[in-house]
Parts: sequence; structure tokens; C-alpha cells
Amino acid sequence: SQQGEEDPQALSIQEGENATMNCSYKTSINNLQWYRQNSGRGLVHLILIRSNEREKHSGRLRVTLDTSKKSSSLLITASRAADTASYFCATRTGANSKLTFGKGITLSVRP
Amino acid sequence: GAVVSQHPSWVICKSGTSVKIECRSLDFQATTMFWYRQFPKQSLMLMATSNEGSKATYEQGVEKDKFLINHASLTLSTLTVTSAHPEDSSFYICSAKAVGQGAYEQYFGPGTRLTVT
Repeated sequence: SQQGEEDPQALSIQEGENATMNCSYKTSINNLQWYRQNSGRGLVHLILIRSNEREKHSGRLRVTLDTSKKSSSLLITASRAADTASYFCATRTGANSKLTFGKGITLSVRP
Repeated sequence: GAVVSQHPSWVICKSGTSVKIECRSLDFQATTMFWYRQFPKQSLMLMATSNEGSKATYEQGVEKDKFLINHASLTLSTLTVTSAHPEDSSFYICSAKAVGQGAYEQYFGPGTRLTVT
């Protein structure tokens, strides 16, 4: 069953703008991860945030986690056309439990 | 960084035939490998988890006799789709967890697109 649910399902922005994607989940988690998938390709790991963390940064990426609301957000600043891809959140309920993926968000960045 | 490869990257086969997909960890040893299936514009669904030298654990609803998984070494796992049918057409992605790495680390292959005609 789906654990993470991203929204919006699709997002179209202009190059240079910021993109914010949200993920909500249902049960308590050990960590939450964000992945990128270019069309027809495999997954690229972007960032992992643990349940005891509230915010993490990696380059132009900023991830927040609110365990009280069971939600996370991924912010991509100063977007580029190359950021066009599908983005998935995935959760682990325990350190060794399986990764469960959300449905994904399709981000289109217009040049 | 850790690299996972898959072969072939795409395959077309006729209905009723079997297809084998290989997943290799190129620069690390993987105690655990995972096989996912992804239909167009949908999420990844875990099919099975395999540990080196032991039988795979299949997710509910996945036919183990149809999707044969072998994890014979710490760097290779194979998925064989037996008697493939058009509904098996999908994107298959493997993932590997490294020995000695934190439990959080899981690396994904580039995927194999299977089309059954």
C-alpha cells in the first residue's frame, strides 16, 4: 500500500523560479527520502532526512520534515530546465524496513 | 559513489517466452537486493527482496513462480520473468543495499524496460 502521497501531482514552472513539492505519509517513520527520476531512467537519490531532523540542505535542495503533521516538503531553488523530472518521496518505518514510495510528482521547468 | 547496473536496458520478447534481467553492484558488495516494477506514470512497487544465498521474499500478490529471483553472489541478482505475457510489460528496477553501509543506503539501477508482444 502507498505510504507517501505527494502533491501536487504535476507542477510546471519557469526556469529560475522555486519549486515546492509536498509529501504526506500515514505511519511513523524512521527516515524519509526524496528521489528524482528522469523519463525512462532509474532513480537518483537526492536527500535523506531522519525522523529526529527537521530540515536538511543539499545544494539547491531544501527538505523539511514535520513528524507531527506526517509531512515533508522538497524545495528546489532557482530551478533549471534540467530539473525537469519526476520526484518521489519514500519512507522507511524502521531502519531495516522496506522503502515505500509515493506516487510521484512530475515537475516541468520551462526554459 | 556506489553504482548498480542492469542488463539489458531494454528487451522485447514474444508472449510465452522467458526473460532474464541481471542486476550487478559494480563497486560494492550487496547483501540485499530489491526488485521493483513501475508502470507508466506510476510509482515503484516492491516485488521482492533477496538476500545473498537465500530465497527471496516476495511481496503480497507477486507470483514467485512467475518472477524467479536468484541472488547467487554479493554482486549479482537476477530476475527471470517466466512465460511472459503482455501484462508483464513494465519497467523493472533493481536496488542494492551495501554491506557495511548504514542501513539507510540503498542504490538503484537504471532500470530495464520489458515489452512483451
